[in-house]
Amino acid sequence: GAVVSQHPSRVICKSGTSVKIECRSLDFQATTMFWYRQFPKQSLMLMATSNEGSKATYEQGVEKDKFLINHASLTLSTLTVTSAHPEDSSFYICSARDTSTNEKLFFGSGTQLSVL
Amino acid sequence: GENVEQHPSTLSVQEGDSAVIKCTYSDSASNYFPWYKQELGKRPQLIIDIRSNVGEKKDQRIAVTLNKTAKHFSLHITETQPEDSAVYFCAASAASGGSYIPTFGRGTSLIVHP
Repeated sequence: GAVVSQHPSRVICKSGTSVKIECRSLDFQATTMFWYRQFPKQSLMLMATSNEGSKATYEQGVEKDKFLINHASLTLSTLTVTSAHPEDSSFYICSARDTSTNEKLFFGSGTQLSVL
Repeated sequence: GENVEQHPSTLSVQEGDSAVIKCTYSDSASNYFPWYKQELGKRPQLIIDIRSNVGEKKDQRIAVTLNKTAKHFSLHITETQPEDSAVYFCAASAASGGSYIPTFGRGTSLIVHP
């Protein structure tokens, strides 16, 4: 099946620093990728929809200046958490939609962010 | 927008029993309904999906049923095994501007006791 690679898997940073998370579709093209935040034992909360070559669409309540998304190619989307604070600590996970099917989503392995 | 409700939040069964997880959705335009399994610390994996032109789909011990009129769909797992223990998410999606944006349920933690 299709593979989505997400890096890093875990990051610990100091408050005020920025962290970049990468999401790559390895064997398919993904015009659209999604970024989620997941708290322990809770569901996937959609943060934003990332579209190749255009601006991301953010969900209500998600600060676009804090969570910068770049989708510069059909296989790579990045999420940068700027000026991270302890409340940003969470599990971030991306998913990519196979452009050829336009339905099936494939998830990255997630990034556990801990902000000290 | 779409709203997906999922029940129960926790389901505990004995090995060999059946497990049923139910979801309802609100947007009648939704036409694609996938189910994902997420084991602890791992990524969600698509286990089965169904489209609105089909009422039921089966894949070995897993089946999904869809009632478009009532706007609900269910996941059925028969002959459960301990390795079925995980969190299961349902989702509903409809085309928006030519692409599908899924809305996820809150998840069901399935525990299968040996």
